[in-house]
Amino acid sequence: GQSLEQPSEVTAVEGAIVQINCTYQTSGFYGLSWYQQHDGGAPTFLSYNALDGLEETGRFSSFLSRSDSYGYLLLQELQMKDSASYFCAVGSGGYQKVTFGTGTKLQVIP
Amino acid sequence: DADVTQTPRNRITKTGKRIMLECSQTKGHDRMYWYRQDPGLGLRLIYYSFDVKDINKGEISDGYSVSRQAQAKFSLSLESAIPNQTALYFCATSGTSGATEQFFGPGTRLTVL
Repeated sequence: GQSLEQPSEVTAVEGAIVQINCTYQTSGFYGLSWYQQHDGGAPTFLSYNALDGLEETGRFSSFLSRSDSYGYLLLQELQMKDSASYFCAVGSGGYQKVTFGTGTKLQVIP
Repeated sequence: DADVTQTPRNRITKTGKRIMLECSQTKGHDRMYWYRQDPGLGLRLIYYSFDVKDINKGEISDGYSVSRQAQAKFSLSLESAIPNQTALYFCATSGTSGATEQFFGPGTRLTVL
């Protein structure tokens, strides 16, 4: 089966940079994606990596190392509105089924 | 209008009752998913469907059933609700690959007493 590990909570200061790590175990790896979820809201897609390296989208970047079964989400110039839960998700197998991690709750403090 | 809608948004029911949660999408996607979210457990896949004739069990399908009435509609049923099915339920859709990007509905908060 698939399993993912990510820290349960992270606290960072407004304006700073924070990195949220995700390690996974899976067979037939297809890709790693990241989602943001604010309290009471639905998850929204942030980024996707299928190949090794860094993908940048504005203040957010995502990195993947397939050989290490590891990825991270990097948030720069943190804003208070970035306080949310962040989920990594791995796609695997012939059906490209997606398994989500348990989420990292990010608190941005002034 | 929202691309993925869910009804109802909130529901309180009693143990043993049958309940249906509905999901509709206007994105034209073939792939649809039902997830359950519990505090500290993330999103867990209940069922997924890659087209009207293709329905697959996820990791926690026991106690649930689904119906794909059309490309745009995917319903989740609890035949006999029990308290540990109290959770937040999300429907999602994706294009060619669910591994790349999924679009989520607003969620249904279900409470089973």
